[in-house]
Amino acid sequence: EPEVTQTPSHQVTQMGQEVILRCVPISNHLYFYWYRQILGQKVEFLVSFYNNEISEKSEIFDDQFSVERPDGSNFTLKIRSTKLEDSAMYFCASSSRGTGRSGANVLTFGAGSRLTVL
Amino acid sequence: SQQGEEDPQALSIQEGENATMNCSYKTSINNLQWYRQNSGRGLVHLILIRSNEREKHSGRLRVTLDTSKKSSSLLITASRAADTASYFCATDKNQAGTALIFGKGTTLSVSS
Repeated sequence: EPEVTQTPSHQVTQMGQEVILRCVPISNHLYFYWYRQILGQKVEFLVSFYNNEISEKSEIFDDQFSVERPDGSNFTLKIRSTKLEDSAMYFCASSSRGTGRSGANVLTFGAGSRLTVL
Repeated sequence: SQQGEEDPQALSIQEGENATMNCSYKTSINNLQWYRQNSGRGLVHLILIRSNEREKHSGRLRVTLDTSKKSSSLLITASRAADTASYFCATDKNQAGTALIFGKGTTLSVSS
């Protein structure tokens, strides 16, 4: 069964350092997402990406964050200057269609990348 | 903000018992979905119910949706230890192109 793969599975970084989290979505999916989950808390939406541009972002997704689809397969999340509060599990997800009256947006998630900021 | 909020936050039952989790949301939706998360893993889609549906079944799962009360319930019948996980409801907005918004989840513990 197709799956979303994420690397690294765990990254430890110093505060202020840049981090890039990588994702390979399912090959025929068109919509890509990043979510994060601080330990024991809810899954929070960060950003959605479609047709090579951000389609929606949350308040959490400030100027420190950026996303990119550098080639036909990878989808990356960059955190420019990490803060302690960025420590979380970051999940990439993809879907074949978006929401809307004619759509049903079922997401396939990766296993996550655990980011620890010291 | 529009969110699904599940209750209870935690539920502990014995194998063979039924588990019921509830979800409430705030705005109109196209559909509501339930996802499962095993500890330290990604979320896995379980079932989707559209706004014009009232009940849906999938194996041991039964989902109901009451759009007038803006609430949904997930029933797992004859639970097994392997059902131990966190369960999240997720809603979309009644608008194209928006992401799913997840609730805080219910942590289910099934003991044998």
